[in-house]
Amino acid sequence: QSALTQPASVSGSPGQSITISCTGTSSDVGFYNSVSWYQQHPGKAPKLLIFDVGDRPSGISSRFSGSKSANTASLTISGLQPEDEANYYCSSYTTSNALHVVFGGGTRLTVL
Amino acid sequence: QVQLVQSGAEVKKPGASVKVSCQASGYSFTSYDISWVRQATGQGLEWMGWMNPNIVSTGYAQKFQGRVTMTMDTSIGTAYMELSSLRSEDTAVYYCVRRRCSRGCYLDYWGQGSLVTVSS
Repeated sequence: QSALTQPASVSGSPGQSITISCTGTSSDVGFYNSVSWYQQHPGKAPKLLIFDVGDRPSGISSRFSGSKSANTASLTISGLQPEDEANYYCSSYTTSNALHVVFGGGTRLTVL
Repeated sequence: QVQLVQSGAEVKKPGASVKVSCQASGYSFTSYDISWVRQATGQGLEWMGWMNPNIVSTGYAQKFQGRVTMTMDTSIGTAYMELSSLRSEDTAVYYCVRRRCSRGCYLDYWGQGSLVTVSS
């Protein structure tokens, strides 16, 4: 069981918008503004999409945006494109001494 | 450009150890931590720990404490992750990742991954 909770799957049609949630606790998502999101295509290494809740690295499309409210972070993808079909993981730092970084279980995005 | 190039696939027997290397290039190696993350086939990401090359300190996830050792050779810009007492559940792709911090910290560059298979 992952420390952060994500829906197992979401889907949308090309051009639509979808949102993936990432629910944690007051010890991780709610405590830090250190939420990041990663995209992973099958057989590839993950790629950073969003850092510090809502910032994008250079080269990442503005179609990807992030936000946070209390203990839940969200990733929104607007104008869905076929190449967005991938697995998406959220991550946060945690105050837990047993673990410094926690990941969500991942969400499989299907573009219909 | 920033690159992290990892060593190749390994097959190990239960109870053995494995050491994965990660050669960094394109940035000042001592300016950023290196974290290790693993992923079993069809599963999610699992953070294992980090190492700071500047002050030579480490932080390991409690699950791996006692079994994992992270080291670095700053002269050649290479990080290492050694996992001992291997069991079948350790079969996974192991990634080295550069950690960058601004307001918060995040994993900005990933190696290509090293598959470790534990099988008798």
